[in-house]
Amino acid sequence: KQEVTQIPAALSVPEGENLVLNCSFTDSAIYNLQWFRQDPGKGLTSLLLIQSSQREQTSGRLNASLDKSSGRSTLYIAASQPGDSATYLCACNSGGSNYKLTFGKGTLLTVNP
Amino acid sequence: DGGITQSPKYLFRKEGQNVTLSCEQNLNHDAMYWYRQDPGQGLRLIYYSQIVNDFQKGDIAEGYSVSREKKESFPLTVTSAQKNPTAFYLCASSAKSQGRETQYFGPGTRLLVL
Repeated sequence: KQEVTQIPAALSVPEGENLVLNCSFTDSAIYNLQWFRQDPGKGLTSLLLIQSSQREQTSGRLNASLDKSSGRSTLYIAASQPGDSATYLCACNSGGSNYKLTFGKGTLLTVNP
Repeated sequence: DGGITQSPKYLFRKEGQNVTLSCEQNLNHDAMYWYRQDPGQGLRLIYYSQIVNDFQKGDIAEGYSVSREKKESFPLTVTSAQKNPTAFYLCASSAKSQGRETQYFGPGTRLLVL
């Protein structure tokens, strides 16, 4: 059974700092991996999706990497801003054609002005 | 305006009562999902449906039921058999597009027990 772990559980940084969020998974036979953002009391917004054949994806100040062999993914946020404050969730799709996602518990990020 | 809508935003359930959470999407997606989120926990899959008139149990289906009579709609019923229903419920959908599926989420429904 796939298990997804996110470290740290919470992170507080000053504005402008570069930061890395970590995600690890136990079963390397994943179809793809997704990073989501969740604001308090809201639904999830997809940030980046990395297919199993890819090593990284970039969108603006965000860069996500994937190392299947070691069961790890990182989300790098450059030049953090207070508006980046949210919970970041990592999810693995291990189901192939049935699109099931297994989520980590998330990292609560606070960027202080 | 394309997207996923969930209603109501807040729902109160009395003991022994069944309640139904609505999820509608106009993205023309084949697959739809229901997740439950508890404080400090990740999302857990309750039920999912890959096509109309078909659905499968997820990891925590006990005490819940669903139907998929229309492509756009995937309502979730929380039955009286679910003893701890207080949680944030999220509905999602995805398209079948050569495996590059991103799941799109609705705004969620918070269920509280009176």
